[in-house]
Amino acid sequence: QKEVEQNSGPLSVPEGAIASLNCTYSDRGSQSFFWYRQYSGKSPELIMFIYSNGDKEDGRFTAQLNKASQYVSLLIRDSQPSDSATYLCAVNIVGRGNKLVFGAGTILRVKS
Amino acid sequence: EPEVTQTPSHQVTQMGQEVILRCVPISNHLYFYWYRQILGQKVEFLVSFYNNEISEKSEIFDDQFSVERPDGSNFTLKIRSTKLEDSAMYFCASSERWQGARDTQYFGPGTRLTVL
Repeated sequence: QKEVEQNSGPLSVPEGAIASLNCTYSDRGSQSFFWYRQYSGKSPELIMFIYSNGDKEDGRFTAQLNKASQYVSLLIRDSQPSDSATYLCAVNIVGRGNKLVFGAGTILRVKS
Repeated sequence: EPEVTQTPSHQVTQMGQEVILRCVPISNHLYFYWYRQILGQKVEFLVSFYNNEISEKSEIFDDQFSVERPDGSNFTLKIRSTKLEDSAMYFCASSERWQGARDTQYFGPGTRLTVL
């Protein structure tokens, strides 16, 4: 069973601070990793994907991947109240097709 | 910006009834998926579909479930005889082309299915 684990939170940060969200995965052969944001009652919205070890930056978001430690993280700089949501880590499992295996998500609360 | 659309947004049905959930994937996408999320739980993969056939399905996707692309735009999920435990948000997703592990899936807004 391929698992993706996340701390459920909530993670509370003040407005303007850096939020750090973490994720671990069990399948050492996994190659691609995705961060989705989900507002309450809404669908997952893609924020970033990362395939290679190291950092990948996109605006206020930075994804970090360490395949040796089987660890993915998402940093959100200058956090805004509108960033308050559940952040889902997902791993793409390749078989005959593709399927995303999701973690349970981390609730982020940004307080103004 | 192109997006995945789903109808209806909310479906209420009686246990044992058949329901069809509809999705219109992004127009140039070739790979289609259904996921579900029971309230308070993880998003779970149900099925992937390409070239008019199922590529992969999960244990959840039993004989009560079926998928179809009846025309060039719609992608449907049918549940033949709904159970109480089928109550969930059902998300359709699509991706553009086979990129192996780098396949990026975009999700529709979901259909909330309530089985009474």
